Amino acid sequence: EAGVAQSPRYKIIEKRQSVAFWCNPISGHATLYWYQQILGQGPKLLIQFQNNGVVDDSQLPKDRFSAERLKGVDSTLKIQPAKLEDSAVYLCASRRIRGWAEAFFGQGTRLTVV
Amino acid sequence: TQLLEQSPQFLSIQEGENLTVYCNSSSVFSSLQWYRQEPGEGPVLLVTVVTGGEVKKLKRLTFQFGDARKDSSLHITAAQPGDTGLYLCAGFKETSGSRLTFGEGTQLTVNP
Repeated sequence: EAGVAQSPRYKIIEKRQSVAFWCNPISGHATLYWYQQILGQGPKLLIQFQNNGVVDDSQLPKDRFSAERLKGVDSTLKIQPAKLEDSAVYLCASRRIRGWAEAFFGQGTRLTVV
Repeated sequence: TQLLEQSPQFLSIQEGENLTVYCNSSSVFSSLQWYRQEPGEGPVLLVTVVTGGEVKKLKRLTFQFGDARKDSSLHITAAQPGDTGLYLCAGFKETSGSRLTFGEGTQLTVNP
């Protein structure tokens, strides 16, 4: 089966600009996660969707970050305006809804804010 | 506050040596998963442990889940340069809406 697709792979923007990332999960996977991974650290959960509903967005900086998952399939994560500390890799993952199903990750989008 | 504490954070060893990575928490998890991540890639699942006290082996890698399902360890025997990477433990809680929480990771370097 096709894996989790993310785009773009790399993005460089100036601070205060806006940016959007796109994720296409594996077909049939109801749960979708967005993680932020700063170099050398473990991934930090930003938001979790189940179908098109938000399950957990407690760690999402809502003053500048937003995410949506229209129709319970593709998802977009937006940052507006970006800050220098937002420089990180943004990972999207998806999993089936039941049991101990594995979470599959995309390659991530490396964001550099200058 | 980090829910999952991994140690050590960095490990640099010679080829052929053994090593153990630890993942500890004060919380109980439905399951614990170990991932390996290479530069420029997303994490890839190595194993899932579900039952307290469970031991799973994957070639030279041995994974153990603590009896109380709060901690886990990863032991690598006779490490090889190909084992180099970032090892991440992740705790899964079904009662928290299927939240998957990661530790900070252990960066392993195996020198030839």
